[in-house]
Amino acid sequence: GEEVAQTPKHLVRGEGQKAKLYCAPIKGHSYVFWYQQVLKNEFKFLISFQNENVFDETGMPKERFSAKCLPNSPCSLEIQATKLEDSAVYFCASSQSVQRLAVSSYNEQFFGPGTRLTVL
Amino acid sequence: GQQVMQIPQYQHVQEGEDFTTYCNSSTTLSNIQWYKQRPGGHPVFLIQLVKSGEVKKQKRLTFQFGEAKKNSSLHITATQTTDVGTYFCAGPRSNYQLIWGAGTKLIIKP
Repeated sequence: GEEVAQTPKHLVRGEGQKAKLYCAPIKGHSYVFWYQQVLKNEFKFLISFQNENVFDETGMPKERFSAKCLPNSPCSLEIQATKLEDSAVYFCASSQSVQRLAVSSYNEQFFGPGTRLTVL
Repeated sequence: GQQVMQIPQYQHVQEGEDFTTYCNSSTTLSNIQWYKQRPGGHPVFLIQLVKSGEVKKQKRLTFQFGEAKKNSSLHITATQTTDVGTYFCAGPRSNYQLIWGAGTKLIIKP
């Protein structure tokens, strides 16, 4: 599609429950990024994919967070045993390509509408 | 580690007044991007600056990239209610990740 799609729009979970979020990147985009935005508005990078391969996972709290981008399926971000501090809006973004720093251009990221996760 | 600092956190202006937000990076950036996020919305790409000293304009918005490629600014002339939102700068990190500033929220006083 022409837009990044994210589902669901809202997700409410009790503490300790599992949460799974989905993202369909723009068709033809090779890179997918997941961000967490909490009330302070700052974006925390979680993970990125190049097609189905993990590109950078330095932001992921690995003990409870996992993510996948499988061929012909939406990408997913899963949180096992949610905690109160996981309450945030989770944004997915896609990009056509990621250029090396030696090259001056860098493609912009197109964001989905986000999934608001509330952990009670 | 590499950081992008953005100030101010908030700016309250009367409609018609100007608005400016500043970004400073701890390291030289190959380029810098600017995004706008409306209240309740998602970030939308505005522009990318690549060259040292580059200045780009989009109607009432003026974007600058510093000579040393470590700082950038966004200036809005004669703000309108449609300008309300949070403006973010973002620069690429060594591992191709984008490092985001904390954002500046533009609030129009009633």
